[in-house]
Amino acid sequence: QQQVKQSPQSLIVQKGGISIINCAYENTAFDYFPWYQQFPGKGPALLIAIRPDVSEKKEGRFTISFNKSAKQFSLHIMDSQPGDSATYFCAVTDSWGKLQFGAGTQVVVTP
Amino acid sequence: DGGITQSPKYLFRKEGQNVTLSCEQNLNHDAMYWYRQDPGQGLRLIYYSQIVNDFQKGDIAEGYSVSREKKESFPLTVTSAQKNPTAFYLCASSMSRVGNQPQHFGDGTRLSIL
Repeated sequence: QQQVKQSPQSLIVQKGGISIINCAYENTAFDYFPWYQQFPGKGPALLIAIRPDVSEKKEGRFTISFNKSAKQFSLHIMDSQPGDSATYFCAVTDSWGKLQFGAGTQVVVTP
Repeated sequence: DGGITQSPKYLFRKEGQNVTLSCEQNLNHDAMYWYRQDPGQGLRLIYYSQIVNDFQKGDIAEGYSVSREKKESFPLTVTSAQKNPTAFYLCASSMSRVGNQPQHFGDGTRLSIL
């Protein structure tokens, strides 16, 4: 069963725009919420992560917003650049370290 | 450079054949993982190992086997029992099994059926 639902499946944004990707989870035992970025033919790379005791974390142009009561978290990419074109995965981790991934969002940033 | 090395980059399997995918890490990480990636399905956990000589099944272990004889190595064998092996296979490692340790990924092996 899918532990985390990710949307949208794909999105197109103009250079300089904001990309927003959403994830929802069911199990309240998850305690670590990372986002991964993957380019074609490469493995995913950790982009940013958040723990459930904070509601927002920002690193450069990337921000995670976390809503514990709604069991949702989202990734915002500000001032999107063509180099941000990639597939983004949200994930949840339980205390045993097992990652459960969302299905991924393909982001295309047009010039 | 510290990292995870997966080989080969591309692999072809004949019907009824077992094939082994290599994963080596020089990060001195205790935990290692194997994932399978199919289009539109994200990554799914096949096997994971928290220490040498110990490993556990993930969500889709059927048709796969692993070993962990050395800390730095975690090879995955795709057996003939895996009827749909065509996928992108990713190996990862983390410092420990504790949930908030980030996982670092290799660049994958793409397996296809001849």
